[in-house]
Amino acid sequence: AQSVAQPEDQVNVAEGNPLTVKCTYSVSGNPYLFWYVQYPNRGLQFLLKYITGDNLVKGSYGFEAEFNKSQTSFHLKKPSALVSDSALYFCAVRDGGAGNMLTFGGGTRLMVKP
Amino acid sequence: GAVVSQHPSRVICKSGTSVKIECRSLDFQATTMFWYRQFPKKSLMLMATSNEGSKATYEQGVEKDKFLINHASLTLSTLTVTSAHPEDSSFYICSATRQETQYFGPGTRLLVL
Repeated sequence: AQSVAQPEDQVNVAEGNPLTVKCTYSVSGNPYLFWYVQYPNRGLQFLLKYITGDNLVKGSYGFEAEFNKSQTSFHLKKPSALVSDSALYFCAVRDGGAGNMLTFGGGTRLMVKP
Repeated sequence: GAVVSQHPSRVICKSGTSVKIECRSLDFQATTMFWYRQFPKKSLMLMATSNEGSKATYEQGVEKDKFLINHASLTLSTLTVTSAHPEDSSFYICSATRQETQYFGPGTRLLVL
């Protein structure tokens, strides 16, 4: 079985400050890890993924995430938050050796205040 | 990134009628597509996996006779909500996989009166 935990329902940060959205996972095989962002009444937009290679992954809109195998974490980060980053963020995992099914975390709402 | 479209984006229907939602992969072929349901302020719940040319695989608790899925081509999957009731009102999102990544459609908001 695979699972994802996003421990924070909401993260508040001031514009210009760094942001972190936390994600931990559990999977029996090799983890394929993803971050998606959802704006109101919209589908999910792909931000970045980790499958193999460098632990630090860079994605869209200045976001990056660091894969930490020992801590089974894949936290999303951005050095300087923008008000327009305010949205709902989902972390997802799938077992690399077992089909396509993604398991999502519960989502974290990011609020960036001017 | 890859583009997935959904139609319609929003639909309102009367209780007891059926509603069809289309999901298309616009610039790639997808042998597998996925249908999710999302409740307000909640995460996505996988309903079923749509397989081109074969029967869909439904998750536990999802009624296959109520949520009919047809994946007739490599770029089109349809979800039909049959005899819709108010409790079927929700946000339905499809996705398709390309190069190890699932790309999502913009979603369809269904309101059953």
